[in-house]
Amino acid sequence: QSVLTQPPSASGTPGQRVTISCSGWNSNFGTTYIYWYQQLPGTAPKLLIYRNNQRPSGVPDRFSGSKSGTSASLAISGLRSEDEADYYCAAWEDTLRVFGGGTKLTVL
Amino acid sequence: EVQLVESGGAVVQPGGSLRLSCAASGFTFDDYTMHWVRQSPGKGLEWVSLITWNGGTTYYADSVKGRFTISRDSSKNSLSLQMNSLRSEDTAFYYCAKEFCSTTFCYGIDSWGQGTLVTVSS
Repeated sequence: QSVLTQPPSASGTPGQRVTISCSGWNSNFGTTYIYWYQQLPGTAPKLLIYRNNQRPSGVPDRFSGSKSGTSASLAISGLRSEDEADYYCAAWEDTLRVFGGGTKLTVL
Repeated sequence: EVQLVESGGAVVQPGGSLRLSCAASGFTFDDYTMHWVRQSPGKGLEWVSLITWNGGTTYYADSVKGRFTISRDSSKNSLSLQMNSLRSEDTAFYYCAKEFCSTTFCYGIDSWGQGTLVTVSS
């Protein structure tokens, strides 16, 4: 069981804005940076967000991250069919890197 | 172009050993922290281990500590994972990945290989 909790699934229709949450259950979560990854079916993960809300070059601004207290969120605006994927949050837990359990996003 | 190419995946019996390798190219290998991350078929991502840019520090997930050893060879731009005492729960795709870390924070794992499959079964 991961120290980062994500909903197992989320869904939305094209053009909609969806959010995926990631919550931590220890005191470190408030001070640690959160990262978000997208994994399309059959492919390796891709970095979407680092340091809570920073986008690497090439990531569309439809993707945004936020963090407050013991919860972080990934928001996807203008949802597209190609956004259908698994999304993972990640963080440092002391010296270890941990991933959330992942959220399967379905575009209806 | 950044390339991370894993090799060494195989079917191995419980209790056996295996060594995975990752050939890196297209970036300055010595500047990056390197990771192994695994994913059981149909399951989520599980971080396994990391080694810092100079090989001076290594960390392991509790699930593999004492059984797996990560190493790097800067002369060959390669990363390795020696896996001993393998268990059925180690069955997974193993990804090699890189991350740039400054003295204050890390920028996220920004490149991944395509993975190599390790199957532990009798």
